[in-house]
Amino acid sequence: DQQVKQNSPSLSVQEGRISILNCDYTNSMFDYFLWYKKYPAEGPTFLISISSIKDKNEDGRFTVFLNKSAKHLSLHIVPSQPGDSAVYFCAARGSSNTGKLIFGQGTTLQVKP
Amino acid sequence: GAGVSQSPSNKVTEKGKDVELRCDPISGHTALYWYRQSLGQGLEFLIYFQGNSAPDKSGLPSDRFSAERTGGSVSTLTIQRTQQEDSAVYLCASSPGTGPPNEAFFGQGTRLTVV
Repeated sequence: DQQVKQNSPSLSVQEGRISILNCDYTNSMFDYFLWYKKYPAEGPTFLISISSIKDKNEDGRFTVFLNKSAKHLSLHIVPSQPGDSAVYFCAARGSSNTGKLIFGQGTTLQVKP
Repeated sequence: GAGVSQSPSNKVTEKGKDVELRCDPISGHTALYWYRQSLGQGLEFLIYFQGNSAPDKSGLPSDRFSAERTGGSVSTLTIQRTQQEDSAVYLCASSPGTGPPNEAFFGQGTRLTVV
């Protein structure tokens, strides 16, 4: 029962262009969504989050969009840089009563110079 | 240290042996998680501790897996009678609590190889 899904295993973009990473979820009770970035041999690091009552959150080059009716969120990186090449995980928090995070399978982003 | 610390960083064990993986969370963090990442897979939830509440063990794959958290701080994940399919990177994370956005801080993981 995969409640958080990242259907694209990989994505390749040119440096300077926009990267768009997608995530779908099934549980309407999720109240927060988070994006993490992971380099090889390192633990994931937090990037950006969004509350379920918002539809957009922006932090520098990173913007997360939430479409609750479609149960879909996306992470936009613009402009993309070679250092952004990593695995990106989408995560959802179960509810306000628990901090449990459920992760998607991850999308490997490659930004070509 | 300031971050989440996991030990050992690498562990090779023979099939059938028991292993213990240790996690030192960030001081003051009340929530602690264990996840694992098998080769080519995503982050699989194992167990979640929050303060003094009963842990959420819903992700433990079998009764060979157990975890405890002593004194609300250090946690140990124990795998009994290891199998080859247990080979994975085991990641521990901690967070300040349930308040939003509840970002979790991860350690570098323990790479477990069962031979």
